[in-house]
Amino acid sequence: EPEVTQTPSHQVTQMGQEVILRCVPISNHLYFYWYRQILGQKVEFLVSFYNNEISEKSEIFDDQFSVERPDGSNFTLKIRSTKLEDSAMYFCASSDDSSSGNTIYFGEGSWLTVV
Amino acid sequence: GQSLEQPSEVTAVEGAIVQINCTYQTSGFYGLSWYQQHDGGAPTFLSYNALDGLEETGRFSSFLSRSDSYGYLLLQELQMKDSASYFCAVRKGSARQLTFGSGTQLTVLP
Repeated sequence: EPEVTQTPSHQVTQMGQEVILRCVPISNHLYFYWYRQILGQKVEFLVSFYNNEISEKSEIFDDQFSVERPDGSNFTLKIRSTKLEDSAMYFCASSDDSSSGNTIYFGEGSWLTVV
Repeated sequence: GQSLEQPSEVTAVEGAIVQINCTYQTSGFYGLSWYQQHDGGAPTFLSYNALDGLEETGRFSSFLSRSDSYGYLLLQELQMKDSASYFCAVRKGSARQLTFGSGTQLTVLP
């Protein structure tokens, strides 16, 4: 079964450093997302990406964050100047372009710890 | 804005039936989804309702009442492996982002 893959699974970084989280969405999907989940809390939407541009973003997704699709398979989330409160599990997800597109497939996540 | 309410914890025994409720407040409601998440794992899609009524997928069923802004997930013949967190999530309008509830931790006892 096709799946969303993410790397790294865990990353520890020092406050103020830049982090890039990588994702390979399901190959025939056209919508890509980043969500995050702070330990013990709910999953929160960050950004969605379609047709090589951001289609939606939440208030969490400020200038510290950026996304990119550098090639035909990868989708990345860059976090500049990380803060302690950026520590969370970051999930990449994708969905197809059907009229419903209600099923969003999540990757296993990248656990980011900022120290 | 959007808000979803679901119980924080539910406990049931193996073989039983459990219902997890979700009430929501959102403008431009499009549909209600349910996701399962085991500790440290990825949220996994379970079910989706756009119209009123019951959707059945094996041991899991989901119900929606748009007029009551209410839905539930019904899990039958509970198994130990069903112990996990269950999240309801709403999709608003044509936007594809999901807004998740805070999750219900289901514990299945032997």
